Amino acid sequence: IVLTQSPGTLSLSPGERATLSCRASQSVSSTSLAWYQQKPGQPPRLLIYGTSSRATGISDRFSGSGSGTDFTLTISRLDPEDSGVYYCQQYVGPPLTFGGGTKLEIK
Amino acid sequence: QVQLQESGPGLVKPSETLSLTCTVSGGSITTHYWNWIRQPPGKGLEWIGYIHHSGSSNYNPPLKSRVTMSVDTSKNQFSLKLSSATAADTAVYYCARWGETATIKLRAFDLWGQGTMVTVSS
Repeated sequence: IVLTQSPGTLSLSPGERATLSCRASQSVSSTSLAWYQQKPGQPPRLLIYGTSSRATGISDRFSGSGSGTDFTLTISRLDPEDSGVYYCQQYVGPPLTFGGGTKLEIK
Repeated sequence: QVQLQESGPGLVKPSETLSLTCTVSGGSITTHYWNWIRQPPGKGLEWIGYIHHSGSSNYNPPLKSRVTMSVDTSKNQFSLKLSSATAADTAVYYCARWGETATIKLRAFDLWGQGTMVTVSS
């Protein structure tokens, strides 16, 4: 399953809301879609699993939604610390795949 | 808490075998599935495969012919071997824990090592 993320780059201001899209080439079970944040020089950090469940310690400013082939990560009240690259990932069955990423810039 | 740490050579010659080990500390290696994921410089993430302490494994088809993973429960470690390395295998290699267990429905990578950079060059 190919995951296509858009936009490639998103530039927003602090306090605004970010909407990141992840589109799958085939239907993905809602239990099998996750989102990660990666900052330079660091490993990815799990934000959302099962489409909408926040991982431990993740702020409620991060929320996930979607079904079938279209999924969204929404980040409200943007903070400069939210800058980074965001990846979606699916596991309907092997092989597991990641999207190409969306780079979020907070200026 | 559980932590992962990758180790292995940072430089591998072309055609040789890339070998890495991930040490699991603070918890048992028998509870989860363990994965290798890589990221070429400036690029996205690629899943390499997973291994379970039972011996069950699954590899990404493009790499399957060159990948071998194993587990050493006595050392709480799992390993990756990637044969016939080329420059295209140059990447940061991460080990990661798959969060799902018999009782936890967390189908994602909930724990990652810091990553280790491997360069394939003569």
